[in-house]
Amino acid sequence: ETGVTQSPTHLIKTRGQQVTLRCSSQSGHNTVSWYQQALGQGPQFIFQYYREEENGRGNFPPRFSGLQFPNYSSELNVNALELDDSALYLCASSLAPVYEQYFGPGTRLTVT
Amino acid sequence: GNSVTQMEGPVTLSEEAFLTINCTYTATGYPSLFWYVQYPGEGLQLLLKATKADDKGSNKGFEATYRKETTSFHLEKGSVQVSDSAVYFCALNAGGTSYGKLTFGQGTILTVHP
Repeated sequence: ETGVTQSPTHLIKTRGQQVTLRCSSQSGHNTVSWYQQALGQGPQFIFQYYREEENGRGNFPPRFSGLQFPNYSSELNVNALELDDSALYLCASSLAPVYEQYFGPGTRLTVT
Repeated sequence: GNSVTQMEGPVTLSEEAFLTINCTYTATGYPSLFWYVQYPGEGLQLLLKATKADDKGSNKGFEATYRKETTSFHLEKGSVQVSDSAVYFCALNAGGTSYGKLTFGQGTILTVHP
């Protein structure tokens, strides 16, 4: 059974640019949640996708958007990058929206 | 709103010492409670969970009991090892919505010396 995978591992972008992060969910899981973890902090919920629709959202601006594909993999897109967007972005998949979440290794984004 | 508060870190212990990391929460309704562990350079791994009051979650020698009366979910281990060095996060899922949003504490860094 393959776990949750994320790509890329690390990424460096310039302020104002756009970035796309990718996540492949664990086999059999139809729900993907995204979290932002700033250095030294706990993860903060960005949003959740269930069966290709956004199913819930945290306190993040609209420039954070996402997609979920028919195979349940997912993308996180961030437009107009700001320095404060520098963080570890974690993806988690689950069997259903309120079930136990399994996390990937994360993508480290640095905005300069 | 929902929140989780963990004891201030970092925590430094000698091998075989007893570990306690305090966690208290604020939530409406009846949340599920979790402890996650993050090793250096890695994502989060679920360590243990409890879904109702008085439940005890346990895994790999770690334990935590869901105490509704004190709104707490303290993590304990009787004898820590060097390999337990990591960051530990307490989290809750408040439920009552259609989605499973996890709310995390700020994390506690544990360092265990030989």
